[in-house]
Amino acid sequence: AQSVTQLDSQVPVFEEAPVELRCNYSSSVSVYLFWYVQYPNQGLQLLLKYLSGSTLVKGINGFEAEFNKSQTSFHLRKPSVHISDTAEYFCAFCRSNTGFQKLVFGTGTRLLVSP
Amino acid sequence: GAGVSQSPSNKVTEKGKDVELRCDPISGHTALYWYRQRLGQGLEFLIYFQGNSAPDKSGLPSDRFSAERTGESVSTLTIQRTQQEDSAVYLCASSRTSGGEDTQYFGPGTRLTVL
Repeated sequence: AQSVTQLDSQVPVFEEAPVELRCNYSSSVSVYLFWYVQYPNQGLQLLLKYLSGSTLVKGINGFEAEFNKSQTSFHLRKPSVHISDTAEYFCAFCRSNTGFQKLVFGTGTRLLVSP
Repeated sequence: GAGVSQSPSNKVTEKGKDVELRCDPISGHTALYWYRQRLGQGLEFLIYFQGNSAPDKSGLPSDRFSAERTGESVSTLTIQRTQQEDSAVYLCASSRTSGGEDTQYFGPGTRLTVL
């Protein structure tokens, strides 16, 4: 079965510290990978996506993610977080060989940045 | 330009009643998706529309759920005889094309509470 695992439901971190949010996926076919962010009282917004090519993907707000096919992972990183990064982060994927983008989402990781 | 809008933002209903949720996609977006987000869980795909093609209904949890879309305009998700387990945030997203590499833009969601 296709699934996404985000092992950490909540990650507390101090401002200016680095952070890594983990994501592992399960799929028997090739996939496209996505990270979405949901700020309080706002809709989901795309942070970055991996389609092909370089396994290191850079997104908005200084975030980046690395696709590791052998480990079926797509971890999200930021070298120095800000208070404004406090939000819920969702990892998702879709099969790359289907006619539409049927996203499979993880359960989300809440990033809590404190001063 | 305007993003994806959804109405109502909140809906409280009694068990057994029917509800209708509305989604206005971004103008020109041919693909439209509905998702459900239960408390503490990731987003679940419900249904997908692409232009005038037959929708993909593979994610609808029961025959109490139905959705319509006329062309590339507004979509409505209808839940008949609501149950308490239908309580969730219902999210709509649209994308310019149906391609897996495209970006889905999400609305703010409708929070449905079934008493």
